[in-house]
Amino acid sequence: DAGVIQSPRHEVTEMGQEVTLRCKPISGHDYLFWYRQTMMRGLELLIYFNNNVPIDDSGMPEDRFSAKMPNASFSTLKIQPSEPRDSAVYFCASHRGGLAGVGQETQYFGPGTRLLVL
Amino acid sequence: AQKVTQAQTEISVVEKEDVTLDCVYETRDTTYYLFWYKQPPSGELVFLIRRNSFDEQNEISGRYSWNFQKSTSSFNFTITASQVVDSAVYFCALSEQRTGANSKLTFGKGITLSVRP
Repeated sequence: DAGVIQSPRHEVTEMGQEVTLRCKPISGHDYLFWYRQTMMRGLELLIYFNNNVPIDDSGMPEDRFSAKMPNASFSTLKIQPSEPRDSAVYFCASHRGGLAGVGQETQYFGPGTRLLVL
Repeated sequence: AQKVTQAQTEISVVEKEDVTLDCVYETRDTTYYLFWYKQPPSGELVFLIRRNSFDEQNEISGRYSWNFQKSTSSFNFTITASQVVDSAVYFCALSEQRTGANSKLTFGKGITLSVRP
């Protein structure tokens, strides 16, 4: 089975532009997570979905960030307008729902999108 | 609140040496899960192991072994006879099991391991 797929793998844009990152979770996985990795803050969870519904978006930095999951096989993370401090690697991860809760299942990560905002 | 501390930031060893990566965690929950992920220079995050809080048995997988000790809230990772291909950033992570509630995977800052030939 294919792993988590992310596109694009690299994105270079100018400040003020809109950026859209895409993710296809592993088939059958009903939880999807967006993370951001920076040198300063490490890996931090931005938002996660269960059955296409956003469950916890407390990690989303500000209103410039938005995420959607229109169906079970596709999610987007959008930054509008982008700023240089948004430069980071953005990871998408997915797992199947556990019987007793979210935390017990292993998250599998995509290859990441390396974003550079000039 | 849950927290993961990886006090070592960078470790450099010579090939064939054994190396231990430390991980200390904090949680108020009695049921929780611990993970190790590897991030090689190519950048992807590779799952290595998951452990639940009720299973303190140490695990060995080839040259990798993990030592889980609840008494010290530690989940250390040892690589035996290290190889250059082991060079990567290693992350320890924690999640709490809360039925029907939000649960997050909290990562440590990571340990950069360099294995020199």
